[in-house]
Amino acid sequence: AQSVTQPDIHITVSEGASLELRCNYSYGATPYLFWYVQSPGQGLQLLLKYFSGDTLVQGIKGFEAEFKRSQSSFNLRKPSVHWSDAAEYFCAVGPYGGSQGNLIFGKGTKLSVKP
Amino acid sequence: GAVVSQHPSWVICKSGTSVKIECRSLDFQATTMFWYRQFPKQSLMLMATSNEGSKATYEQGVEKDKFLINHASLTLSTLTVTSAHPEDSSFYICSAVPSGRNTGELFFGEGSRLTVL
Repeated sequence: AQSVTQPDIHITVSEGASLELRCNYSYGATPYLFWYVQSPGQGLQLLLKYFSGDTLVQGIKGFEAEFKRSQSSFNLRKPSVHWSDAAEYFCAVGPYGGSQGNLIFGKGTKLSVKP
Repeated sequence: GAVVSQHPSWVICKSGTSVKIECRSLDFQATTMFWYRQFPKQSLMLMATSNEGSKATYEQGVEKDKFLINHASLTLSTLTVTSAHPEDSSFYICSAVPSGRNTGELFFGEGSRLTVL
């Protein structure tokens, strides 16, 4: 079955500390991988995506993610968290070359940032 | 660029009434838009794919007579929840793909929160 697992429902980090949000996926074909961020009352904004090539991808707002095929993981990282990063983060997987809307989303990880 | 707007942001209605939610691409044309439903502490679930000028494609388990989708122009798709019931209360989100621009990115609206009393 196709699925995305974000094991951490809620994470709290101190401002300036490093961050890693975990994402594991189960997908039968070559996947597109995405990380989206959702602020309260807002839609989703794309942070970064992986289609092919370099397995370490850089995104907006200083985020990066590393695709590890052997571990079926696509973890999101940021070296130094800012208070404005507090939001909900969603990992998603989609069919390579398929319908872009047909993404499978994880349940999300809520990030809180302590001053 | 690539802004998607939904209206209304939130709506409260009585059970049995119908509610229409609009999804507009403000600065691009979108042949295809998507409608999702998000329950509290859950992920987004794709409900249907809205295609301009043709019938929407619904995901398995989504009642097409319950959730009417119309995509009459390249910048507007509407979702009508007919005869709404409390179990239809949810956060509805749309997304759009700019026509002719396949970057793999979806642009999401800000969502519409529906509460059915």
